[in-house]
Amino acid sequence: ILNVEQSPQSLHVQEGDSTNFTCSFPSSNFYALHWYRWETAKSPEALFVMTLNGDEKKKGRISATLNTKEGYSYLYIKGSQPEDSATYLCANKEAGKSTFGDGTTLTVKP
Amino acid sequence: DVKVTQSSRYLVKRTGEKVFLECVQDMDHENMFWYRQDPGLGLRLIYFSYDVKMKEKGDIPEGYSVSREKKERFSLILESASTNQTSMYLCASSFSSGSPYEQYFGPGTRLTVT
Repeated sequence: ILNVEQSPQSLHVQEGDSTNFTCSFPSSNFYALHWYRWETAKSPEALFVMTLNGDEKKKGRISATLNTKEGYSYLYIKGSQPEDSATYLCANKEAGKSTFGDGTTLTVKP
Repeated sequence: DVKVTQSSRYLVKRTGEKVFLECVQDMDHENMFWYRQDPGLGLRLIYFSYDVKMKEKGDIPEGYSVSREKKERFSLILESASTNQTSMYLCASSFSSGSPYEQYFGPGTRLTVT
């Protein structure tokens, strides 16, 4: 993996479904991984800052895990709600700058 | 709370005009960034700055320049706007390069070049 890749590109789920998506990044020289939520007409906002292999972070119904040895992170949303609809970006932080994936756009239908 | 502000939410300019996009942050962050976001292409880094008067090219610097005369302000300049620079422009700031912390984004400027 040379760049940051996210999958799937988009996801449509029903309210109450649980879902997860993937971020893959270069595993060499890892420094930090960020997850952002970007809602329509708003700015991207950070959800998690992850730095250690095996890290697991949680914020309400949203959690994330990190595997730096194999270069991936998962974001999980338990019991999706319509207000979870957004684009979720991950970013691989290197010296000074971050490389962003293209994001996963989640749509939660009531 | 960190606040990153951008001078305009919407801007319409003509081809060939010189365009200034201003960004101000109020948290004494060392690093500041300019991105553009286009459908299907994610966030692409144009330029970033890690200190006053310092600048580094990002992934797509062609057709742009930047200025950072004060720590809190980072300006993006389109010397001669072209239609392919129609895009959403996002400014962001963060603590120094040596920290793992996240970036804070402004609300964005949607620029249309006609």
